[in-house]
Amino acid sequence: TQLLEQSPQFLSIQEGENLTVYCNSSSVFSSLQWYRQEPGEGPVLLVTVVTGGEVKKLKRLTFQFGDARKDSSLHITAAQPGDTGLYLCASFSNDYKLSFGAGTTVTVRA
Amino acid sequence: SQTIHQWPATLVQPVGSPLSLECTVEGTSNPNLYWYRQAAGRGLQLLFYSVGIGQISSEVPQNLSASRPQDRQFILSSKKLLLSDSGFYLCAWSVQVSYNEQFFGPGTRLTVL
Repeated sequence: TQLLEQSPQFLSIQEGENLTVYCNSSSVFSSLQWYRQEPGEGPVLLVTVVTGGEVKKLKRLTFQFGDARKDSSLHITAAQPGDTGLYLCASFSNDYKLSFGAGTTVTVRA
Repeated sequence: SQTIHQWPATLVQPVGSPLSLECTVEGTSNPNLYWYRQAAGRGLQLLFYSVGIGQISSEVPQNLSASRPQDRQFILSSKKLLLSDSGFYLCAWSVQVSYNEQFFGPGTRLTVL
């Protein structure tokens, strides 16, 4: 099972600031997914990255996949209180099994 | 459209009591089904997954078991709960295509006292 390390564990910022969270592994990712989870709910997929060096944008969220496919980052520009949540990265250890990182808890203060 | 249901939403059970959590999916056929457990504010631990009726793969040897009696029904059970079974239990489904998105249910908050 691939181990995914996420950092930081907690992040608290003011509305309008930018933030970046990271996901790393010692082995190569076949693909990587980012999920966001709000308290008391299940995670929801934000993006899947597959190709090394890939950059995907989802409104104010920018996802990067490292060239060597061992790391990924999620950058939020001008964060809003609605961005508050637990951000999880996940990778497939076989065709169907997802392994999750421990997550980064993001709090955006109004 | 597809929907996934879990119940109950919350459950408080004494140590040593049995457990049955149910998950059902609507709007799709022959999905892959998954049970996860999540500690407070942390990542998800895969407990079981199923690619078809009666087919269960266990990821973590423990006090729990899973069954899939129907195509879109997945049940998590225990004969005797332990304190360490407390947590947030999530059911998920995906289509039977490799490396695909998983869709999660609303979860069950289990507290064992």
